[in-house]
Amino acid sequence: AQSVTQPDIHITVSEGASLELRCNYSYGATPYLFWYVQSPGQGLQLLLKYFSGDTLVQGIKGFEAEFKRSQSSFNLRIPSVHWSDAAEYFCAVGAKTGANNLFFGTGTRLTVIP
Amino acid sequence: DAMVIQNPRYQVTQFGKPVTLSCSQTLNHNVMYWYQQKSSQAPKLLFHYYDKDFNNEADTPDNFQSRRPNTSFCFLDIRSPGLGDAAMYLCALRDRVENIQYFGAGTRLSVL
Repeated sequence: AQSVTQPDIHITVSEGASLELRCNYSYGATPYLFWYVQSPGQGLQLLLKYFSGDTLVQGIKGFEAEFKRSQSSFNLRIPSVHWSDAAEYFCAVGAKTGANNLFFGTGTRLTVIP
Repeated sequence: DAMVIQNPRYQVTQFGKPVTLSCSQTLNHNVMYWYQQKSSQAPKLLFHYYDKDFNNEADTPDNFQSRRPNTSFCFLDIRSPGLGDAAMYLCALRDRVENIQYFGAGTRLSVL
């Protein structure tokens, strides 16, 4: 069965700090992996994706994520948190073929202290 | 420019009164999805269209229906909204080639 686990429900950090948001997945086939961000009252915006190739992927706003097959993980790293990064972050897994239905984790809410 | 347009952004309805949410796209992508997202929860897929083929998730209540009259538009109909249907409803679309889902800003539904 497909599942995505984000073990950190809520994280609070100071502006300028670095941060890693954890994501573990269970998927029966080779997965496509995604990180989305959602600001309050808004839809989901794609941050970055992993399909194949280099396991370290770069996204918008300097975010990056590393795919580790042996650990079934796809953790998101924020090198230097800005106040505008405060939002909900969702990890998702999908199939390479077909309708590519996404399975989402329960999200990690990031609070940034000025 | 917005690629996925959802209207309205906020919808208030009464218990049991049918309501329709709208989604349109400017990209002519062939796959469209409807998700329900309750407060502090992950988005949950309700159904999707692959071109005109409708695919319902097994646990989507019969109270939820959808229509896709053409490639550009997709509607979510809630026949008899209950208090538990209050949520954010997200529309997404995906191109056949590029396996990325693009989301709209959502419609927040309140049920009184």
